Amino acid sequence: DVKVTQSSRYLVKRTGEKVFLECVQDMDHENMFWYRQDPGLGLRLIYFSYDVKMKEKGDIPEGYSVSREKKERFSLILESASTNQTSMYLCASSTITRKTDTQYFGPGTRLTVL
Amino acid sequence: RKEVEQDPGPFNVPEGATVAFNCTYSNSASQSFFWYRQDCRKEPKLLMSVYSSGNEDGRFTAQLNRASQYISLLIRDSKLSDSATYLCVVNTGYSTLTFGKGTMLLVSP
Repeated sequence: DVKVTQSSRYLVKRTGEKVFLECVQDMDHENMFWYRQDPGLGLRLIYFSYDVKMKEKGDIPEGYSVSREKKERFSLILESASTNQTSMYLCASSTITRKTDTQYFGPGTRLTVL
Repeated sequence: RKEVEQDPGPFNVPEGATVAFNCTYSNSASQSFFWYRQDCRKEPKLLMSVYSSGNEDGRFTAQLNRASQYISLLIRDSKLSDSATYLCVVNTGYSTLTFGKGTMLLVSP
């Protein structure tokens, strides 16, 4: 079974803090993704990566950056957290080797910025 | 604009009922289609892929109409455990997916 883990289930931070959200997958997947999910807005893609040290902007990259130093790990960074970044953050991974786009999600991190 | 549109519901049905969800997508170049299921406060999980010829997995049947850019999901003999939000998902580029906002299903005894 594919396993995607995220470093925290719940996180509370203060405005202006630097926040790191970590994601690890154990299936040697090439692609990794960060989404945020908000009521009424659905899942929105922040950034994705298709290889180590590669990153691509998604639909809402403003205020975020990412890092992928190892294949299995993809980090989302909020350089200076703001209250409008309070959300559920979901990491996902997928492989291209089976010619499928199926994405497997981690359990999510519910971030509250005060 | 990349969009996947779904009726948010909720659809309230009794156990044993048949219920159908529809979804439309705007990107005619999309090649892959999926239904994901998301339980309350949980992550989305793949329910089934959707193939051009239509496909079935137990009580679930998915259909794709490329000409109309329309996807459907039919659930027969609904169970209480089917209560969840169903996300219509479409490929929109290199391994990237666009998710609909979901349709909520509530199955009651």
